[in-house]
Amino acid sequence: GAGVSQSPRYKVAKRGQDVALRCDPISGHVSLFWYQQALGQGPEFLTYFQNEAQLDKSGLPSDRFFAERPEGSVSTLKIQRTQQEDSAVYLCASSLRRDEQYFGPGTRLTVT
Amino acid sequence: AQKVTQAQTEISVVEKEDVTLDCVYETRDTTYYLFWYKQPPSGELVFLIRRNSFDEQNEISGRYSWNFQKSTSSFNFTITASQVVDSAVYFCALSESIYNQGGKLIFGQGTELSVKP
Repeated sequence: GAGVSQSPRYKVAKRGQDVALRCDPISGHVSLFWYQQALGQGPEFLTYFQNEAQLDKSGLPSDRFFAERPEGSVSTLKIQRTQQEDSAVYLCASSLRRDEQYFGPGTRLTVT
Repeated sequence: AQKVTQAQTEISVVEKEDVTLDCVYETRDTTYYLFWYKQPPSGELVFLIRRNSFDEQNEISGRYSWNFQKSTSSFNFTITASQVVDSAVYFCALSESIYNQGGKLIFGQGTELSVKP
């Protein structure tokens, strides 16, 4: 079956631009997570949705980061006024409930 | 606070050697889950195993085996007879049972394994 998909796969933004990253989870998966992975590091948690409810956003680094999942399926991570330190791979994962998480290929964001 | 430590940053072995990747974790929770993920050069994280804190039985899956020891807070991963295709970054991760966290993963820094022919 189809796995988690993310788009775009690569994004180059000029400093100060807004970006939107999309995640399509596995159909039927209730839980959706966003992680940020800096070069050479492990992924770090950003935010968690259960269906359309954002239950944990404790990992979002600043108020420039915003995530939504309005219909409990597709999710969008938005970064406003991008900064160079936002350059990273953004990973989306979904799970059925509290089971293992399945990850998408990630979006590599480069802020110039 | 919860934390995962993978002390080995890089390991290089020759094909057919056995290799063990170390993972040490910290948590105050009594119910938690431990995971291993593989990240090949393509970048996508691949799930390998999930264990809960009440099950200390070691597990073997083909050339892969895992040793979970609660007494030392360790969850080590061994690859027997390594192959070039095993070359990747391996991450150990922890999740706790707090409801509204949904099982968010706390990852270690990763161990880059290079298997040379």
